[in-house]
Amino acid sequence: AQKITQTQPGMFVQEKEAVTLDCTYDTSDPSYGLFWYKQPSSGEMIFLIYQGSYDQQNATEGRYSLNFQKARKSANLVISASQLGDSAMYFCAMREGSNFGNEKLTFGTGTRLTIIP
Amino acid sequence: ETGVTQTPRHLVMGMTNKKSLKCEQHLGHNAMYWYKQSAKKPLELMFVYNFKEQTENNSVPSRFSPECPNSSHLFLHLHTLQPEDSALYLCASSQDPAALENTEAFFGQGTRLTVV
Repeated sequence: AQKITQTQPGMFVQEKEAVTLDCTYDTSDPSYGLFWYKQPSSGEMIFLIYQGSYDQQNATEGRYSLNFQKARKSANLVISASQLGDSAMYFCAMREGSNFGNEKLTFGTGTRLTIIP
Repeated sequence: ETGVTQTPRHLVMGMTNKKSLKCEQHLGHNAMYWYKQSAKKPLELMFVYNFKEQTENNSVPSRFSPECPNSSHLFLHLHTLQPEDSALYLCASSQDPAALENTEAFFGQGTRLTVV
């Protein structure tokens, strides 16, 4: 079974609008961390935001926020006021508690976000 | 710039060739990883090195051979590859794995490998 599911293979959003990228996860481990990475066409994976399973508040980093709904096992990324430079692939990833110490990240298949001028 | 450098950026090799991918980081990280990214598939973890010791081999075929001579360098030696091995190979590093929370991995730009 997929541990990380991203159901939107592609999205087109008008510049300056907000966009939500969906991510659901599957784990029985009570301790886990959720990550979002951005991959531009140049190839590198850029870390955006992190949410720990015990964090009480949703994580925020500048224009990025993570809508963490633990009971639904969802960790959607919200990008406010989108910019042309936000066009990229976006990956949701999870590290489970049993993997703390060896940094094993499980990735979803990604969402390709295209910002339209 | 993430601090993780991969060379070469692009590589085309025949099935009988032997080549190596190189990854270098000067972030003071002790853990390094190789990931394979194929089209329309999730990133697949291949190998994990902690403090130069291999801690994970994710059922990777023996035609891929990793080498970690020190905590700053990681190689992936390739030989007798198949066309289905064509993919983007990403290297990543992270800080001391004893630090539990929010230890994100820093990725290189990848090597785009094409096996012909």
